[in-house]
Amino acid sequence: SQQGEEDPQALSIQEGENATMNCSYKTSINNLQWYRQNSGRGLVHLILIRSNEREKHSGRLRVTLDTSKKSSSLLITASRAADTASYFCATDLDLQGAQKLVFGQGTRLTINP
Amino acid sequence: KAGVTQTPRYLIKTRGQQVTLSCSPISGHRSVSWYQQTPGQGLQFLFEYFSETQRNKGNFPGRFSGRQFSNSRSEMNVSTLELGDSALYLCASSLARLTNTGELFFGEGSRLTVL
Repeated sequence: SQQGEEDPQALSIQEGENATMNCSYKTSINNLQWYRQNSGRGLVHLILIRSNEREKHSGRLRVTLDTSKKSSSLLITASRAADTASYFCATDLDLQGAQKLVFGQGTRLTINP
Repeated sequence: KAGVTQTPRYLIKTRGQQVTLSCSPISGHRSVSWYQQTPGQGLQFLFEYFSETQRNKGNFPGRFSGRQFSNSRSEMNVSTLELGDSALYLCASSLARLTNTGELFFGEGSRLTVL
């Protein structure tokens, strides 16, 4: 089963509105990352938030982390058509001393002009 | 600085064949990770290489293998292809090992279709 799961699976909003995506995970983490993927392309790193941080900003992006609830949210403000993409959260999973980055299933965001 | 380069971008194979995919990381990056992406399973971790050694492996059968060369370039091989191996294979590089779980830089992927 996935370490991280995004919600909703798909989101469609009007240009200029804010978009919020959520990510829940199961085990304790060192940090959580968000990535964006345009259709059929590679992933692009957006932001990393460490387990001792509660909120982080980068341009129009705002990420929160609640380790007690094992959840994170990504807020994109003043959305643009170019924000149309899939968004993934990724968490580090420690398996017997060997870590790997585990991705959720993603939220498919569509910005309508 | 050039990004992560994956070749080939697209390829079509038939069941039973084998395939080799190549990944050139960003200059100076020593860690290369491979992921398989399918609509049903999402992004699945295949393996990570650091300094020519496989450091971590996902839950894939032995038909999936890889290696890393002294210049950090990596290849992955899938033998005896099955229809279910059709996927986008993504390579990602980073400065340090995944144990530092910093930012990953992804290539554009190799889209494999198995007929």
